[in-house]
Amino acid sequence: QQQVKQSPQSLIVQKGGISIINCAYENTAFDYFPWYQQFPGKGPALLIAIRPDVSEKKEGRFTISFNKSAKQFSLHIMDSQPGDSATYFCAASMSSGTYKYIFGTGTRLKVLA
Amino acid sequence: DTEVTQTPKHLVMGMTNKKSLKCEQHMGHRAMYWYKQKAKKPPELMFVYSYEKLSINESVPSRFSPECPNSSLLNLHLHALQPEDSALYLCASSPPTGRDEKLFFGSGTQLSVL
Repeated sequence: QQQVKQSPQSLIVQKGGISIINCAYENTAFDYFPWYQQFPGKGPALLIAIRPDVSEKKEGRFTISFNKSAKQFSLHIMDSQPGDSATYFCAASMSSGTYKYIFGTGTRLKVLA
Repeated sequence: DTEVTQTPKHLVMGMTNKKSLKCEQHMGHRAMYWYKQKAKKPPELMFVYSYEKLSINESVPSRFSPECPNSSLLNLHLHALQPEDSALYLCASSPPTGRDEKLFFGSGTQLSVL
């Protein structure tokens, strides 16, 4: 119940294309769903996050789509660029002060120039 | 200042050594974390300090000893580590709980145990 399943494990996209990464969760107590971007040798950095009271959130080229009934959420990267090549982790947590993030297994994205 | 600073960036130690990892933030965050990350894996939570008190220990072996001297500093003391403890050790901090649960990560310490 505490797992967050992420797919695909790796993704190759042409420059200008759309990258889509999917995550699914079981625990309905989760109420915060962030996406983190990690470059080699660096710590993860928050990219965008969503709460279940909205179905979509967009920040620049990055969009989270959230389907509460299906317990799924996804990250869409529009107009993908070589600089977007990184590992992306979805995560889920509860706003009850538990401080615990459950991370997905990660997706290694490579954008070809 | 929106940074979490970790030192050293790289550390090589023998199994009998004692070393410490340091983490510092000046964002006024009252929760600080240690995560361990193996290559191609997600970060794994080790410890959480909330208001300078240890609130979560994810059953971490005693050869890892955390310390929070004040609200801006977090240390991880290492002793008698095993080669399988080689990993990237990440420190993170977060604002007081509320609607913004954002974790701010440092760049990590890449630890090699020989």
